[in-house]
Amino acid sequence: QQQVKQSPQSLIVQKGGISIINCAYENTAFDYFPWYQQFPGKGPALLIAIRPDVSEKKEGRFTISFNKSAKQFSLHIMDSQPGDSATYFCAASIFGNEKLTFGTGTRLTIIP
Amino acid sequence: DGGITQSPKYLFRKEGQNVTLSCEQNLNHDAMYWYRQDPGQGLRLIYYSQIVNDFQKGDIAEGYSVSREKKESFPLTVTSAQKNPTAFYLCASSLRQGEAFFGQGTRLTVV
Repeated sequence: QQQVKQSPQSLIVQKGGISIINCAYENTAFDYFPWYQQFPGKGPALLIAIRPDVSEKKEGRFTISFNKSAKQFSLHIMDSQPGDSATYFCAASIFGNEKLTFGTGTRLTIIP
Repeated sequence: DGGITQSPKYLFRKEGQNVTLSCEQNLNHDAMYWYRQDPGQGLRLIYYSQIVNDFQKGDIAEGYSVSREKKESFPLTVTSAQKNPTAFYLCASSLRQGEAFFGQGTRLTVV
């Protein structure tokens, strides 16, 4: 049973455009939602994270939007750059249990 | 430098052979994890440990074993019972909820 569903599987965006990746979860006990960025042959790295008490969090060009009633959250990358080309994973966890449940990943390609 | 070190980077296993993947961290984190990554399937949890001498099965523990004798170390053994071991294996550690730090991974191939 996949508890965190991520879409799209792959995404191509023009340089300077907005990249949007979506995730939906089923378990209402989840209360922490991070996004990870992974470059080929490397381990994932934490990009940005949100808790359900806020609807949006912004760090530089990266923004998480969170909709608790719809059980959905999304990552927006503004002014996308070729260096943003990577695989992005959403994840979720429950307070008191540090283990993360990951989405299946989105391969983002930024073209000039 | 603080971080997580996985070794080796590449590993080849013959049919019926057990192999052990190393994971060491100097971040003083209590929790450590092993994930398996396959194309199109994201990261799936194999085992995790929240304290020394204790560990729990994740979603795909069959064919794998772990130990946690020291806080810094969490080795993963891929046994001959794992029928499809070819994958990218990632070790991670965390101090607080969700803030997991990952190693650079070990790519295991069956030959």
